[in-house]
Amino acid sequence: DAGITQSPRYKITETGRQVTLMCHQTWSHSYMFWYRQDLGHGLRLIYYSAAADITDKGEVPDGYVVSRSKTENFPLTLESATRSQTSVYFCASSEWGGNQPQHFGDGTRLSIL
Amino acid sequence: RKEVEQDPGPFNVPEGATVAFNCTYSNSASQSFFWYRQDCRKEPKLLMSVYSSGNEDGRFTAQLNRASQYISLLIRDSKLSDSATYLCVVPFYTGRRALTFGSGTRLQVQP
Repeated sequence: DAGITQSPRYKITETGRQVTLMCHQTWSHSYMFWYRQDLGHGLRLIYYSAAADITDKGEVPDGYVVSRSKTENFPLTLESATRSQTSVYFCASSEWGGNQPQHFGDGTRLSIL
Repeated sequence: RKEVEQDPGPFNVPEGATVAFNCTYSNSASQSFFWYRQDCRKEPKLLMSVYSSGNEDGRFTAQLNRASQYISLLIRDSKLSDSATYLCVVPFYTGRRALTFGSGTRLQVQP
């Protein structure tokens, strides 16, 4: 089935470790997004990408790195994980961005001990 | 003023009731709006898009008031399965072509 998939679904790691969350979409959407969701904050945009090799910061980019070498993949890396990065991470895509609705993956539940 | 503001609730209503949520936004240039539904920390799912004055889909009606900069979501004949968090979403163009999500309004429909 076409769609957007995230992996892993659950991840537990330790502070200081590098962690990469994967996101893959089969719609050939131009735009892809990474959000984190914490109680009391709603969804906050970390990074987004308008096309392959084009990425831009969102609201809370510090401590995260992204890349987009292929249209269908948009991995998110925590270079040195901290406890404050414990959260639920959602990847999303949209055809054009801006005023287009976004479609979300199932999310990755990340715990940093 | 926050970019998107919603009453967090929870709204506790009996089955069959009609309930309405409001959402205010700060960017008067926004042209389209969305309501998403989110169940218990699962992924948000698109419920309705609003591109003009409003939209209706079965028991759900979304209305847009550009002069006052708010959108509303009306749910008629509430079902137990409507229990969820409803997110108001507004696109923002300044600096980024992305959507801004409200924190959500929680609805609990009771038998």
